[in-house]
Amino acid sequence: EIVLTQSPGSLSLSPGERATLSCRASQSVRFSYLAWYQQKPGQAPRLLIYGASTRATGIPDRFSGSGSGTDFTLTISRLEPEDFAVYYCQQYGSSPSTTFGQGTRLEIK
Amino acid sequence: QVQLVQSGPEVRKPGASVMVSCKASGYNFPSYGISWIRQAPGQGLEWMGWISGSGNTNHEQKFQGRVTMTTDTSTSTAYMELRSLRSDDTAVYYCARFGMGWFDPWGQGTLVTVSS
Repeated sequence: EIVLTQSPGSLSLSPGERATLSCRASQSVRFSYLAWYQQKPGQAPRLLIYGASTRATGIPDRFSGSGSGTDFTLTISRLEPEDFAVYYCQQYGSSPSTTFGQGTRLEIK
Repeated sequence: QVQLVQSGPEVRKPGASVMVSCKASGYNFPSYGISWIRQAPGQGLEWMGWISGSGNTNHEQKFQGRVTMTTDTSTSTAYMELRSLRSDDTAVYYCARFGMGWFDPWGQGTLVTVSS
């Protein structure tokens, strides 16, 4: 099983700042099959990025994903108030199974 | 628009079973699979398994023998039954559409509470 470790566990930033979230895999993720999700309190997760760097439909371009192999990054270029949430990465390169990271909580400073 | 609507909250006693439904709309149901993911209170996301559009299933080993996933293509509805419930099965259970490996969209979630 591929274990995903997200860092930091929590991050305190101010609106307008840049956020950089990391997701590290215990072994190489085939074909960069990695997705990122955003979850706000009381809501279901929402897909942001798939294939490591492709934004999902309707996702603002301030969200970007990068990386390959075992190291992946989600960057939010200029934080908006609605971006403060928990972010999860997911690898699907070991299909048919899949795993999630433990999440990074992005908080308002 | 593509939408998944799940059944309402459930309360069960330890040892009982629960079935959660997930009704899809806005797309050709047999062309995609449905995955089930759960989230214990204050915890992260845990993948449980999936059922393909053709009815093939795969689930996480820890749920072996306790979970059954089915679909009814006539009503575009997926079902997840979890048996022999324990207190640590208390969680929000989500269904999500999947095709190429990622999950989009997700249902609104169903809270299952296991308590004596």
